[in-house]
Amino acid sequence: SQTIHQWPATLVQPVGSPLSLECTVEGTSNPNLYWYRQAAGRGLQLLFYSIGIGQISSEVPQNLSASRPQDRQFILSSKKLLLSDSGFYLCAWSGAGQESQYFGPGTRLLVL
Amino acid sequence: DQQVKQNSPSLSVQEGRISILNCDYTNSMFDYFLWYKKYPAEGPTFLISISSIKDKNEDGRFTVFLNKSAKHLSLHIVPSQPGDSAVYFCAATGPGNNDMRFGAGTRLTVKP
Repeated sequence: SQTIHQWPATLVQPVGSPLSLECTVEGTSNPNLYWYRQAAGRGLQLLFYSIGIGQISSEVPQNLSASRPQDRQFILSSKKLLLSDSGFYLCAWSGAGQESQYFGPGTRLLVL
Repeated sequence: DQQVKQNSPSLSVQEGRISILNCDYTNSMFDYFLWYKKYPAEGPTFLISISSIKDKNEDGRFTVFLNKSAKHLSLHIVPSQPGDSAVYFCAATGPGNNDMRFGAGTRLTVKP
């Protein structure tokens, strides 16, 4: 069966520090991968999606970036965090041609 | 540009009664609609979906209705149970499934 992992579960970082959140998927090949953010009191905002290694599409311009160094690994990064980057970050995957997306447990990021 | 809207941020229902969660969308290219359930500090879990070629899909206590002409869908939970208390997200996607849009969520509270 397929599983999706995210780490860390919780992260507290100072403003201006770098960020690296990792997401890995097991039990499937060539998944579509997604990064979402849920800010307080708001819905899920799609940040990035990837349909293959090295292929990243950005939905919202910001100081975050994403990379897909391996087929089942998706990384969310920032060189300098802002206070507004605080939120709950979710990684998701879907099979090629499938509509349903499956979410990881999320990472709660607090930027102070 | 919020293409999927859930206008009720919260809903409170008595155990055993029906819960009706509503969702509106603006993009006529959306052809697949999903409902996700989310508990605090966890990733959303897929609940039920419907294709635009249908107007109703039922799975146990959960039924999703789609009114394409009104660009409206709803989730019915009958009978509601305290364990159903969570935030429910409506989501929509178009051809290619690379761009899923989520509503802001509705917090459902089912009182015993």
